[in-house]
Amino acid sequence: QKEVEQNSGPLSVPEGAIASLNCTYSDRGSQSFFWYRQYSGKSPELIMFIYSNGDKEDGRFTAQLNKASQYVSLLIRDSQPSDSATYLCAVNIAGAGSYQLTFGKGTKLSVIP
Amino acid sequence: GAVVSQHPSWVICKSGTSVKIECRSLDFQATTMFWYRQFPKQSLMLMATSNEGSKATYEQGVEKDKFLINHASLTLSTLTVTSAHPEDSSFYICTPSSNEQFFGPGTRLTVL
Repeated sequence: QKEVEQNSGPLSVPEGAIASLNCTYSDRGSQSFFWYRQYSGKSPELIMFIYSNGDKEDGRFTAQLNKASQYVSLLIRDSQPSDSATYLCAVNIAGAGSYQLTFGKGTKLSVIP
Repeated sequence: GAVVSQHPSWVICKSGTSVKIECRSLDFQATTMFWYRQFPKQSLMLMATSNEGSKATYEQGVEKDKFLINHASLTLSTLTVTSAHPEDSSFYICTPSSNEQFFGPGTRLTVL
């Protein structure tokens, strides 16, 4: 069974610190990787996506992908209390031509003021 | 990114009734729409894929006769939960199939 694994947390970090969220996936054929933020009772919001090995930065967020290790992470710099949410890792396992996503269970992040 | 709306955003119904959820792609012609379901404290699980002008495909364990999907146009897909029961209470979210992967705002269904 093709899976996406995340630590459920909660992960607590002080305000201003770096939050590191990790995700592993089982299907080596996976081609695209997404990080979503979900506030309680709300729909997931796309933070960023990454397709290639290495780092991708967008503001305070950096996604890191290592296909050899089947590992993708999200770093949040200068964490703010408003970043407190559940972060979902999602993987496009079906590959080219299909945009269906498989989600991890999410990591709950708490940023302590 | 694609703008997606869902209606209603929240619905409470009695057990045994049917509920229709609409998903509209406002600025994107969606030949395919994904429907996900999220139970409390769980992650999103794909329920079904609706295809404009043809039958939907359902994931294993999802009853096609209970969750009726219609995708009559490139901008509208509907999910009808028939004979709803309390175990169907969940957060239903749609997203058009695209590389942008934006989700609709979701519909929270509570079956009493």
